[in-house]
Amino acid sequence: QEQLVESGGGLVKPGGSLTLSCAASGFTFSDYYMSWIRQAPGKGLEWVSYISGSGGTIYYADSVKGRFTISRDNAKNSLYLQMNSLRAEDTAVYFCARDPGYMDVWGNGTTVTVSS
Amino acid sequence: DIQMTQSPSSLSASVGDRVTITCRASQTNIRYLNWYQQKPGKAPKLLIYGASRLHSGVPSRFSGSGSGTDFTLTISGLQPEDFATYYCQQSFPTTFGPGTKVEIK
Repeated sequence: QEQLVESGGGLVKPGGSLTLSCAASGFTFSDYYMSWIRQAPGKGLEWVSYISGSGGTIYYADSVKGRFTISRDNAKNSLYLQMNSLRAEDTAVYFCARDPGYMDVWGNGTTVTVSS
Repeated sequence: DIQMTQSPSSLSASVGDRVTITCRASQTNIRYLNWYQQKPGKAPKLLIYGASRLHSGVPSRFSGSGSGTDFTLTISGLQPEDFATYYCQQSFPTTFGPGTKVEIK
């Protein structure tokens, strides 16, 4: 069955870096746009970034532009989010999702906490 | 960027009630309008895509409608498992609405 599993979350100090991974299985990964979405504690959903199947098209939310980098390795069926210059307001559960215009497959999320 | 608003922000309803949630976009050039259900501590689940298309496996009591800037999600006959938060979302660029929490009356 189609599945996404995030990993790489943790506790990091302000200004630090972290890389999240999302392992895909059960579908042809390279055929799909993929997105990262986050949810701060007690808050709503915020789209972070997406990447086309080939990796040639990438967009970021203004809140992370210049600090976060999305990438993918289709040979490894994996999606990544490199997060630099982390701030307290980046604290959230980060979800990856398959996104052909609607997010039909979601991972369970990985928690990122930015705190000194 | 397109902004999404939802109303109400929360509502109380009873099992069996018909519930309607409204989503409004700040611009008319929506590519996809989608609806999600999220329960506490869980990932969101897709309910409706393309404004009115029921995602596979979603009960038929959920329906979506609308066009232009105004969209609705209707739950016809609320069930105990439907108490959750509902989000609308438009795609490319992606924006979520602030959510509507459906609580038990």
